[in-house]
Amino acid sequence: GNSVTQMEGPVTLSEEAFLTINCTYTATGYPSLFWYVQYPGEGLQLLLKATKADDKGSNKGFEATYRKETTSFHLEKGSVQVSDSAVYFCALSSREDYKLSFGAGTTVTVRA
Amino acid sequence: EPEVTQTPSHQVTQMGQEVILRCVPISNHLYFYWYRQILGQKVEFLVSFYNNEISEKSEIFDDQFSVERPDGSNFTLKIRSTKLEDSAMYFCASSVESGGDTQYFGPGTRLTVL
Repeated sequence: GNSVTQMEGPVTLSEEAFLTINCTYTATGYPSLFWYVQYPGEGLQLLLKATKADDKGSNKGFEATYRKETTSFHLEKGSVQVSDSAVYFCALSSREDYKLSFGAGTTVTVRA
Repeated sequence: EPEVTQTPSHQVTQMGQEVILRCVPISNHLYFYWYRQILGQKVEFLVSFYNNEISEKSEIFDDQFSVERPDGSNFTLKIRSTKLEDSAMYFCASSVESGGDTQYFGPGTRLTVL
């Protein structure tokens, strides 16, 4: 079945530091890949997505590239802000699926 | 921008009681989902619903759980006899299509079973 393995947290960074969160997946077929973000006390928000190999999703300065050869979808941001403090979830959904399969989530704290 | 809404935001109940969690999906979406997140753990799929039928369910979604779309806008999750381990955040989501389409999540209902 489908599964997502996500970098363990928590991650603590200083403002303007570079952030990367590793995500690898196992799936049948050609899944769509997602990053969702959960800010403190809030629900899940879509951060970015990619639907086919070599696609790059981007939003709010975050980027992730769908790498089929390494089955990865690592999240990166060049310069984080305090407001980026949140839990980040990598997720996938196959064409044959009705559900999203989530990684364990990575808690990111950015200090001023 | 359209969004998924959920009520209540927090529900406290006694073990063995029935609870109904309510969701209003985005109006032109056709696929509806429930997920749960036990505190500190990953988000887990419970059930998906399309055309007034369950299209997929997880092992968690046993006979104690049921879903319904009672009218053209609401989508509900019922837990018949709550257990302590049902305490979690429950998220509703909706999408236009299945199979890789983006799912949009509501803010969640925090269920506490005492």
